[in-house]
Amino acid sequence: RKEVEQDPGPFNVPEGATVAFNCTYSNSASQSFFWYRQDCRKEPKLLMSVYSSGNEDGRFTAQLNRASQYISLLIRDSKLSDSATYLCVVNMPSGGYQKVTFGTGTKLQVIP
Amino acid sequence: SAVISQKPSRDICQRGTSLTIQCQVDSQVTMMFWYRQQPGQSLTLIATANQGSEATYESGFVIDKFPISRPNLTFSTLTVSNMSPEDSSIYLCSVRVGGRNPEAFFGQGTRLTVV
Repeated sequence: RKEVEQDPGPFNVPEGATVAFNCTYSNSASQSFFWYRQDCRKEPKLLMSVYSSGNEDGRFTAQLNRASQYISLLIRDSKLSDSATYLCVVNMPSGGYQKVTFGTGTKLQVIP
Repeated sequence: SAVISQKPSRDICQRGTSLTIQCQVDSQVTMMFWYRQQPGQSLTLIATANQGSEATYESGFVIDKFPISRPNLTFSTLTVSNMSPEDSSIYLCSVRVGGRNPEAFFGQGTRLTVV
């Protein structure tokens, strides 16, 4: 089982739609969670951190379910500019430090 | 936060040659990380570079192929040695900022094509 798993997609959605991505992780001792966005031919950039209480930033909502070991990202009112690959990132304890583990990414294409 | 300047942004190299990638960070950091991202894949950690000691390599990566330098707390280089077409990839350096829940910041990436 991969340490961090995501559906690679692609998710093709019309403008204005709501889309949700899930990501599961294997290590129950994982402590922090993030969603990164990677545009084509660019480096990953932090979209938002994921807290136990959930967090919202505009059209984006991230949630954490520790019991089931998954995190989610919800995008409302999709824009063309949301088209990108969304990487799930989990910090897992490993040998006394935090190992940053990336999912394979979920590709989103918002269609006019 | 951290700002990382990585260069070159891209290169096309002949097989058998070597390329050195540089990363400069705008603040002092203990560890710098080097990743490879092959087309359509996620990021794979190559090694962790510590100042004043040898880099720590992940399984499948060796120092002879990917020598790393870390002369000070703001700079690191990764060399891709004796290149073959299989080394064609994007190479990214990264640092982590934040104590308990560190956030990763990345350089702009180096797109390498070996012909």
